[in-house]
Amino acid sequence: GAGVSQSPSNKVTEKGKDVELRCDPISGHTALYWYRQRLGQGLEFLIYFQGNSAPDKSGLPSDRFSAERTGESVSTLTIQRTQQEDSAVYLCASSLELAGGPETQYFGPGTRLLVL
Amino acid sequence: LAKTTQPISMDSYEGQEVNITCSHNNIATNDYITWYQQFPSQGPRFIIQGYKTKVTNEVASLFIPADRKSSTLSLPRVSLSDTAVYYCLVGDAMDTGRRALTFGSGTRLQVQP
Repeated sequence: GAGVSQSPSNKVTEKGKDVELRCDPISGHTALYWYRQRLGQGLEFLIYFQGNSAPDKSGLPSDRFSAERTGESVSTLTIQRTQQEDSAVYLCASSLELAGGPETQYFGPGTRLLVL
Repeated sequence: LAKTTQPISMDSYEGQEVNITCSHNNIATNDYITWYQQFPSQGPRFIIQGYKTKVTNEVASLFIPADRKSSTLSLPRVSLSDTAVYYCLVGDAMDTGRRALTFGSGTRLQVQP
């Protein structure tokens, strides 16, 4: 596709419910990132996928957060038993990693999650 | 992964040149320096990237001194539409430590008329 797409663009849910956020990366990009951005703050790394390697989950804040990626395609971020502090914009980025070279991340528009 | 430090905010007026400096004292040999711009309600977007000396594109210039411990993003003749948050990121495509990435809070640039 032309760019990274994310869905839904906005999600309002009740505390305790599960939510799924979707990311479609740029075709051919091997790397995919999820970030969280709270209002007025910087981007917080959550998880990273690269090809068939085991994902780097070191940024996931709790076991309520999980993510999957189908090959080098779509990724889903799942938040179980949502809490009000999960309210944020969830951003997805993809990149084409080249050995020994610089990397440029291309971001989607984000999903704005509000937990009531 | 090299930690970066930027000013929290800057103010400018239309038509002025704006320089935003990022410190990255423990930058590694293979690290590149990348700057991103983020408008409200949008994801960050790539502005410019460099390894050393000076890089210029249609949007900005990036100045990197010989020791590479800092970098300066230069925006010529800013306009109101340049009001955004600017993030500096240092890393290498093959840096195994880079995955624990944080963009930090960035520099919030406010351009006044």
